Amino acid sequence: EVQLVESGGGLVKPGGSLRLSCAASGFNFTNAWMRWVRQAPGKGLEWVGHIKSKNDGGTTDYAASMKGRFTISRDDLKNTLYLQMSSLETEDTAVYYCTCGTYSPFDYWGQGTLVTVSS
Amino acid sequence: SYELTQPPSVSVSLGQMARITCSGETLPKKFAYWYQQKPGHFPVLVIYKDIERPSGIPERFSGSTSGTTVTLTISGVQAEDEADYYCLSKDSSDTWVFGGGTRLTVL
Repeated sequence: EVQLVESGGGLVKPGGSLRLSCAASGFNFTNAWMRWVRQAPGKGLEWVGHIKSKNDGGTTDYAASMKGRFTISRDDLKNTLYLQMSSLETEDTAVYYCTCGTYSPFDYWGQGTLVTVSS
Repeated sequence: SYELTQPPSVSVSLGQMARITCSGETLPKKFAYWYQQKPGHFPVLVIYKDIERPSGIPERFSGSTSGTTVTLTISGVQAEDEADYYCLSKDSSDTWVFGGGTRLTVL
């Protein structure tokens, strides 16, 4: 059974940094393209970015509003995905989900971790 | 920036048919996906590649496409189908974009 468990969320001041983690199990993490999606309170879904498998180059891509501030990385030995966020803004307040998929890019989701950016 | 346009809300009576549309200029060239999200839960895929239904999704869920519009149809709506529905596709740069979401209310 695919399991994705996010952690690392919390309260951070504007301009601050935070690193989220996603522990994956139940599938071949090494070969998976992994993605982050976020959802602001009461709002819709927003793709954050992805990281390809190392076999496919291991490259990353990000939504325009996050480019330069967010960095996605992975540790295939630990089956763990990361999202390093810096220069956080109040608009970054959201539940952050770790996702992956086969039928679609977002078949499997974690429970999400809440990031609150506030002074 | 590229947008996928959905109606904010759709209401339908129990047992009737619900149609939720999603419009975007790249939809003739890019696959669309549909996700259902109930309050407090993560989204669930209900349609992939425009018209395909994942295993475990009831047959009353179907997808269709016509030009720049894709449609999620729920035939014989059940009370448990009340949820937010999001379409997903790619823009011309192959970046994933979600629609704004449609709140389906079952009367």
